Amino acid sequence: NAGVTQTPKFQVLKTGQSMTLQCAQDMNHEYMSWYRQDPGMGLRLIHYSVGAGITDQGEVPNGYNVSRSTTEDFPLRLLSAAPSQTSVYFCASSRQGVESGANVLTFGAGSRLTVL
Amino acid sequence: AQRVTQPEKLLSVFKGAPVELKCNYSYSGSPELFWYVQYSRQRLQLLLRHISRESIKGFTADLNKGETSFHLKKPFAQEEDSAMYYCALSGRGSTLGRLYFGRGTQLTVWP
Repeated sequence: NAGVTQTPKFQVLKTGQSMTLQCAQDMNHEYMSWYRQDPGMGLRLIHYSVGAGITDQGEVPNGYNVSRSTTEDFPLRLLSAAPSQTSVYFCASSRQGVESGANVLTFGAGSRLTVL
Repeated sequence: AQRVTQPEKLLSVFKGAPVELKCNYSYSGSPELFWYVQYSRQRLQLLLRHISRESIKGFTADLNKGETSFHLKKPFAQEEDSAMYYCALSGRGSTLGRLYFGRGTQLTVWP
């Protein structure tokens, strides 16, 4: 199993450009989420999904879109990048159910995005 | 609203010394508390969760509901413990699977 795979690992954008961060997991996990990691701010939840076709906003959703058409994939879209979106982005997944570990997240390696 | 506070951004200790990373939380319901760790050039990973009541790599953490704290402790720190540590909180029901993280504490263990 590859676990959680994120692409690209590094990306530089100009203000106003759009792009999609890809996230795929091969563990058949129901829950998937996107976090951004900023110095001094820790990790903040952007968007969240409990299954295919179901998404919800987290703490900092503005400027980002998501969709969940399959169990495996959960892409994060930046429609018009801004310098404030310069960050490291982490995708995570977990298994449904309290006892089976819905709150035990498996993280991807991260995607470092710089917006100029 | 839920909040996780890690008061120390940086923490340095010498090898063999005890270490305590502080975490306080606020949450209106019944929370589940975690410590996640990120070693250099590795992925963020779970270190321990309060409901497991287990010791991982010599670390323990006790949930104190009265003080709303979940401090991480280790009696004898090792150099390989140097990492970024995040305290995290989640609830149940509709918030299951969503974690709220503190700002993190960078632990450095000197030889």
